Parts: sequence; structure tokens; C-alpha cells
Amino acid sequence: GQQVMQIPQYQHVQEGEDFTTYCNSSTTLSNIQWYKQRPGGHPVFLIQLVKSGEVKKQKRLTFQFGEAKKNSSLHITATQTTDVGTYFCAQNTGGFKTIFGAGTRLFVKA
Amino acid sequence: NAGVTQTPKFRILKIGQSMTLQCTQDMNHNYMYWYRQDPGMGLKLIYYSVGAGITDKGEVPNGYNVSRSTTEDFPLRLELAAPSQTSVYFCASSGETATGELFFGEGSRLTVL
Repeated sequence: GQQVMQIPQYQHVQEGEDFTTYCNSSTTLSNIQWYKQRPGGHPVFLIQLVKSGEVKKQKRLTFQFGEAKKNSSLHITATQTTDVGTYFCAQNTGGFKTIFGAGTRLFVKA
Repeated sequence: NAGVTQTPKFRILKIGQSMTLQCTQDMNHNYMYWYRQDPGMGLKLIYYSVGAGITDKGEVPNGYNVSRSTTEDFPLRLELAAPSQTSVYFCASSGETATGELFFGEGSRLTVL
């Protein structure tokens, strides 16, 4: 079935370093969503990308959707300890069926 | 607004027991979902619903049942609980918004012994 692959599975960074997680699909995506889940919490919506080549920014977070709409990335500039958690990409496969990637768990060392 | 409310937050079941996880939302959303998240893993879609009276299978429906008699409620039924169903269960809903944002409940942690 349709699925998105996320890499890396884990990332350890020193506070202040940058972080990037990637989401890849073998098929063209109609859209891509990103969520953040703090340890012990529930996923919280960050953003949705729809257009080919789209780039959106939220403070230190930059989201990109590939030109072919088969990949996406989330980049965090100068990580902070508050960025700790798991970042998921998700696709809506049509009929409002939303499938999540496996997530990238970010650890930030102060 | 309460958003999406799940009960119970924690539950321990014995193998073979049955139970229902309750989910209710007060945002008048048409779309509701049940996901399970195993430790350190991603979210797997169990069942979803696009409106009252309409449900459909997700990625991992076996061992579960759902119903959607009202817009607000979307209970998840576990029949004959098995250790493999030990997980955290999240209910979510979404409305007719441009972003398709899913709103999640706090989760229900289920252990089957």
C-alpha cells in the first residue's frame, strides 16, 4: 500500500546544531503533513504542503515539498531543548485516510 | 473547547477480555480516526470514519471493531484482547479545513497481560 518512508529514525544533536528529517515516497503525493509529538504526548499538527516545490517557514522550522511531490523535508535551524520529540510526516491518501511515516526522534543535548 | 476526549487513559486487560475505548469530539468534525502507536514506533491507522454511519478499515484493523452512530462519538472495540494489542491508542478528528489538520486526543495506554 501507499506509504511514506522517513529518515533518519533517530538523530542526536548538540543544542544549537541544525536538524533535518526527510520523508520519501515512491508515488506522487497529493499533499504532505508534518506533526510533532513530545515525549509522552500526542501528535500536534505543524503544517501541510500541497504545491510542487513549496517552501514554508515557521520561525526556526523550514518545510519543503519536492518538485516531483515525492519527497519532503523538515529542517530546524539552531535546535533548542524544546525541539525534543518525534517528527512525523503524513499523507492523506484520498478519502481522508491519513497515513503516517515511522517518524524521526530528535534528541537535543544541552 | 474540549476537542477530542478519550477514555480511559490507562487500562490493564487480561488475555481474552474485551473492552471499548471511548472517543468523543465537540468540534462537529465529520472525519474521525483510530491509530495505535507501539513503543518507539509510528502511528498505524486502525479504522476511520468519514461521517455518521460510515466506517472503513485502515492499515491494521484485525482484532478491532468500530461504530459511528453519531458525529461526536467513535468508540473502538477490542474483542478477545491479545498481548499484541498492548499499545497506546490515539483517537483523532478532522474537519473540512484547507489544511486537513488532524486533532488528536491525549491517548489511551492499554496493556494486555
